[in-house]
Amino acid sequence: DVKVTQSSRYLVKRTGEKVFLECVQDMDHENMFWYRQDPGLGLRLIYFSYDVKMKEKGDIPEGYSVSREKKERFSLILESASTNQTSMYLCASSFPQGFTKTQYFGPGTRLLVL
Amino acid sequence: QQQVKQSPQSLIVQKGGIPIINCAYENTAFDYFPWYQQFPGKGPALLIAIRPDVSEKKEGRFTISFNKSAKQFSLHIMDSQPGDSATYFCAASYGSSNTGKLIFGQGTTLQVKP
Repeated sequence: DVKVTQSSRYLVKRTGEKVFLECVQDMDHENMFWYRQDPGLGLRLIYFSYDVKMKEKGDIPEGYSVSREKKERFSLILESASTNQTSMYLCASSFPQGFTKTQYFGPGTRLLVL
Repeated sequence: QQQVKQSPQSLIVQKGGIPIINCAYENTAFDYFPWYQQFPGKGPALLIAIRPDVSEKKEGRFTISFNKSAKQFSLHIMDSQPGDSATYFCAASYGSSNTGKLIFGQGTTLQVKP
């Protein structure tokens, strides 16, 4: 059974704090993604990675960075958290071969920045 | 041109009704159109998908209708059940690309009343 796990389900941080969100997948997938989900805006891609140490900006990368030191782990970093980064964060992974490249999602981390 | 526009934002139907969720896209280079289903507290999961060379795809009670000339596609849920209450996202991607990046619609929250 495929599995994507995220380090925290709920997180409360203060403005200006450095925040780490971690994602681990056990499917040996090359591709990994970070999204944020906000009501009425759908899922917006922050960053994705197609290999270890490789990353590309998504649609809304400002204020975020990522790290992928190992194939199974993809971390999202908020360098200095701000209240407008309060959101649900979703991690996903996919296999690059084949046409469909189904994305498998973790359960999400709901982040509140005070 | 990269957007996928989804409507309605929310939908309430009675059990047995046929909710319809619509999506529209601009970029004719998209060649893969999946729908993801998300239950509360869970990450999205692939529900059904279609390629633009077919006009309809059916899996159980879920049907995608695809209109290539209008650049629109829709999800129909036959004989809807309370267990179908969830948020639904349409998406589009370039199936031939190795990145597997998806562009998601804004999401539709469906409530099926008993």
